[in-house]
Amino acid sequence: QSALAQPASVSGSPGQSITLSCTGTSSDIGGSNYVSWYQQHPGKAPKLIIYEVNNRPSGVSNRFSGSKSGNTASLIISGLQAEDEADYYCSSYTTSSTLVFGGGTKVTIL
Amino acid sequence: QVQLQESGPGLVKPSQTLSLTCIVSGGSVTSGGYHWTWIRQPAGKGLEWIGRIYTSGSTTYNPSLRSRVTVSFDTSKNQFSLKVNSVTAADTAIYYCARLSRGATIVDNWGQGTLVTVSS
Repeated sequence: QSALAQPASVSGSPGQSITLSCTGTSSDIGGSNYVSWYQQHPGKAPKLIIYEVNNRPSGVSNRFSGSKSGNTASLIISGLQAEDEADYYCSSYTTSSTLVFGGGTKVTIL
Repeated sequence: QVQLQESGPGLVKPSQTLSLTCIVSGGSVTSGGYHWTWIRQPAGKGLEWIGRIYTSGSTTYNPSLRSRVTVSFDTSKNQFSLKVNSVTAADTAIYYCARLSRGATIVDNWGQGTLVTVSS
């Protein structure tokens, strides 16, 4: 299975909104509503922030939202804050009952 | 609250077997209907899912690693393990053990990770 494709980096100013993309195939994102997003700060384990395309776990800010169209999923971060500077990884459950991750996007706050 | 902690050698020689254990506290690995998994991350790179084991003992692996990987339980110690055979430098990474929920579709609980270096 091939890794999901994510842009290497995205940047934005405080208060702005940014969109991170995650592109797969009909065997993963396109064939599944089990798309998740994880936030990882340096030296830390990843943290789940979105599951099943657009659901937030308890305690995750509503500034994070998700969507999906065809083989591409998106994470929208609104009202950018300094603490949002981190790496973000998408993940999808596949039609083979495995998990696949994206290569990650580094978000930089300008 | 379930907590997971990886343990094992930080240095493995090429062609040998990498062995890691995940100690689970605050919950049983054989109850609750959860899957337990291993994920790795080479320095400066993305996450790679390795494989998982269900409470029943059934396993599923990443097709690209299946021939070299085994995930198993040690129920007497409430832990699960990872073995990777015939390692090379490409297996150098931070290895995370974690819990899967919602039908093995999300990682909802992570260990802190342990760095394993493959070098002679």
